[in-house]
Amino acid sequence: DIQMTQSPSTLSASVGDIVTITCRASQTISRWLAWYQQKPGKAPKLLIYEASSLESGVTPRFSGSGSGTEFTLTISILQPDDFATYYCQQYYSYWTFGQGTKVEIK
Amino acid sequence: QVQLQESGPGLVKPSETLALTCSVSGGSISSYYWSWIRQPPGKGLECIGHISDSGSTNYNPSLKRRVTISVDTSKNQFSLKLNSVTAADTAVYFCARFSGGGIRYFDLWGRGTLVTVSS
Repeated sequence: DIQMTQSPSTLSASVGDIVTITCRASQTISRWLAWYQQKPGKAPKLLIYEASSLESGVTPRFSGSGSGTEFTLTISILQPDDFATYYCQQYYSYWTFGQGTKVEIK
Repeated sequence: QVQLQESGPGLVKPSETLALTCSVSGGSISSYYWSWIRQPPGKGLECIGHISDSGSTNYNPSLKRRVTISVDTSKNQFSLKLNSVTAADTAVYFCARFSGGGIRYFDLWGRGTLVTVSS
């Protein structure tokens, strides 16, 4: 199984900050990686696919990069609506998620 | 727009069968793959398995012995059955759609339904 490890687990930030979340795969997954945002009591929302492609309708303040085993999600000019938990998901071999990164208000 | 809605009992007794249905509205179930994903309280997301509109399935190896996913295209629904449940199966269960007719990432999710396993 491919294990996905996100860091940090929790991130404290302020409105207007630039935030970066890292996702590492236990083996190479090329660029087969997606990022989701989940708010409490809600379903996850697709943000990014194929490591860096922005899903239709998602603000370009979200961007993704990386390939192989290391990936990042960057949120620029953090807005109040961005405080949530973020998950990466690989789809190179089966489908596994990272454990999540909670972005909370500092 | 296409929407997904999970339905089924919120409480299941240990050793019994968890059964959920996902209804697809505003669009056809055809030409896509559909999945069940669960999230135990306070924990991360786990794929349970998926099914094509023609009924081809793929299950998480860790759950394979206990899982059955089926599709009813006439009702625009697909279903999950999980046998011999224990407290470890307590989770929010989501149904989701794979994007674009492939089996890569999920572009549409239901709101999720909490299933508690308890006597």
